[in-house]
Amino acid sequence: DSGVTQTPKHLITATGQRVTLRCSPRSGDLSVYWYQQSLDQGLQFLIQYYNGEERAKGNILERFSAQQFPDLHSELNLSSLELGDSALYFCASSPTPHPGDTQYFGPGTRLTVL
Amino acid sequence: ILNVEQSPQSLHVQEGDSTNFTCSFPSSNFYALHWYRWETAKSPEALFVMTLNGDEKKKGRISATLNTKEGYSYLYIKGSQPEDSATYLCAPSYAGNQFYFGTGTSLTVIP
Repeated sequence: DSGVTQTPKHLITATGQRVTLRCSPRSGDLSVYWYQQSLDQGLQFLIQYYNGEERAKGNILERFSAQQFPDLHSELNLSSLELGDSALYFCASSPTPHPGDTQYFGPGTRLTVL
Repeated sequence: ILNVEQSPQSLHVQEGDSTNFTCSFPSSNFYALHWYRWETAKSPEALFVMTLNGDEKKKGRISATLNTKEGYSYLYIKGSQPEDSATYLCAPSYAGNQFYFGTGTSLTVIP
């Protein structure tokens, strides 16, 4: 158990809908990362937050947005969902935003868009 | 999107065999190289983080080396055990906090 929690574990929704994925980092970690793993693709970095501020952006679509709250939990919002958004979404956390910090991964949220 | 290559894609070895995998990555603006172990139905677990050219890290029977000038890292497993069966991912990070994952090497250790 990494100490990172993600909810829900599974989510099934329809095209065009909007969903919110939630992540709570390890105690003491200030930085949160979101990753997407689609079928037959490796992990894709989406976005990083540090202490409430966006720190780095990867391959995140405009339909997706994220934020980190004062209590350091983070939410990833996915809107106008398409079939291709079906994937496993991971959250990871680290103590600082330093790219050499070890990242601890949560169990993931599996999103299925029908 | 940067190209991170891992080879081989999959590997089957007998229990007790030693094995190694390769991770190749662009070296420009490189900052750190992360290795993760990912078991089926679980989440990736950090093994090593390396930043300096020539770095070597060891954790039990698993070790890794880093060459930042030519952009590659090796992961070695000595005396493979069935519990080592997993996918091993490498992820270089770059200036600007950009992270890129390879597609992994899937290791199966046959008892």
